[in-house]
Amino acid sequence: DIQMTQSPSPLSASVGDRVTITCRASQGIRNDLGWYQQKPGKAPKRLIYAASSLQSGVPSRFSGSGSGTEFTLTISCLQPEDFATYYCLQYNSDPWTFGQGTKVEVK
Amino acid sequence: EVQLVESGGGLIQPGGSLRLSCAASGITVTTSYMNWVRQAPGKGLEWVSVIYGGGTTKYADSVKGRFTTSRDTSKNTLHLQMNSLRDDDTAVYYCVGTVAATAADYWGQGTLVTVSS
Repeated sequence: DIQMTQSPSPLSASVGDRVTITCRASQGIRNDLGWYQQKPGKAPKRLIYAASSLQSGVPSRFSGSGSGTEFTLTISCLQPEDFATYYCLQYNSDPWTFGQGTKVEVK
Repeated sequence: EVQLVESGGGLIQPGGSLRLSCAASGITVTTSYMNWVRQAPGKGLEWVSVIYGGGTTKYADSVKGRFTTSRDTSKNTLHLQMNSLRDDDTAVYYCVGTVAATAADYWGQGTLVTVSS
C-alpha cells in the first residue's frame, strides 16, 4: 500500500501568512492526488484535484503543486475561515490512502 | 443541486451486520465513481471503498472480505454492506461522489456507526 505522510502537523499560523503543507508518497503516484479541507463537525471539501487543479468555487489563494512523490498545498494569504484540518489523498493505486492530516491552528 | 444522503447508521454489537445507504440526486451513481470514506471519533479520514462507473469495486485492507459496496441503479442509491463489525469500525461514514467529466466532488453529511457491546 502507498503511505502518505503529511507535514507539518500541526501548523501554527496567523491571518495573512503564507502557509505550505507537504505530502510525501511512499512511491510515485504521478499527479493522482487531491487536497481536502475539513472543519469541525463538517464533511470534508475537496480543494485541489490532479495535484494542481483548483476545484470550481475554491478561492484562488489555494494552490497545489508536485508530481511523483512530493506534493504541496499552499495558501497564499491565510484567511480566518482557513483554520481547519487539511488532508491529502492519493488515488493512483488501490487502496487509496489519505495522509494523517495537518491542523492549521491560530498562532 | 447535487445531494447525497446517507442512512442506516446506528448502534450495533461486535460481530453484527449493518447496511448503509446513500441516496443520490443530481448525479447518477453509474456515471460517477462513488466512494465510502470514514472517520473515527477524533481521528483522521480513512478511505473505505470505491465503485467505478463500470462496476469494479476496491476496498481498504482493513475492511476487505467484510464490507461490500453495491449500487441500485433503479433507485440511484449506493449501499455499503458491513459484516463482522468490530469496535474499530466505529466511525462517521461518508458517501462521496465524483463526476469524472467535470471533476466535481460531492460529500454526504455522514452517518454514525457505533460498534459496541
